[in-house]
Amino acid sequence: AQSVTQPDIHITVSEGASLELRCNYSYGATPYLFWYVQSPGQGLQLLLKYFSGDTLVQGIKGFEAEFKRSQSSFNLRKPSVHWSDAAEYFCAVAGNTPLVFGKGTRLSVIA
Amino acid sequence: SAVISQKPSRDICQRGTSLTIQCQVDSQVTMMFWYRQQPGQSLTLIATANQGSEATYESGFVIDKFPISRPNLTFSTLTVSNMSPEDSSIYLCSVSVGASGNTIYFGEGSWLTVV
Repeated sequence: AQSVTQPDIHITVSEGASLELRCNYSYGATPYLFWYVQSPGQGLQLLLKYFSGDTLVQGIKGFEAEFKRSQSSFNLRKPSVHWSDAAEYFCAVAGNTPLVFGKGTRLSVIA
Repeated sequence: SAVISQKPSRDICQRGTSLTIQCQVDSQVTMMFWYRQQPGQSLTLIATANQGSEATYESGFVIDKFPISRPNLTFSTLTVSNMSPEDSSIYLCSVSVGASGNTIYFGEGSWLTVV
């Protein structure tokens, strides 16, 4: 079965700074990879997904993620963070079972 | 994409009671799932709601505690039975869509507090 690790529990960045959230997965074949965002008091919103093809995928809200098979990673990036990006971010993988989620990374944005 | 509506969005429940959460999708979907998110935690899959047959439960979840119905391709319910404070969580309905059925969308969640 697949698994996901998000090594960073909490990250704080300054508004306007760049952001990278790490995600490592474990799965024997090519996985389906997702990033979701959960704002306080809200449900989950899909940011982007990777199934196949171009390993750099673009998502909503200016986010992108890069699939690196050699590193079993799917890190989320944004060149310039906005205060409204403060939220919980979940990486998830789907393989031969339904979605498995990482424990999440909480992003705080300071002025 | 899919638009998923859940009811109730929030509720405060008495210990020992049961509550049924409804999930309505704006299109027919094959796969529907129920997740639980305990306070400060990630999401854990409870079960896959199968249309026309019993739900498939994950390890640690049983039908007596979390009975699920799936009467058609756009609707499902999850009941949290005989609630205790440990059941205070967000319960999220999700569906898979797309040609490969591998894009998963979530409802806004049902925030339950058991007192």
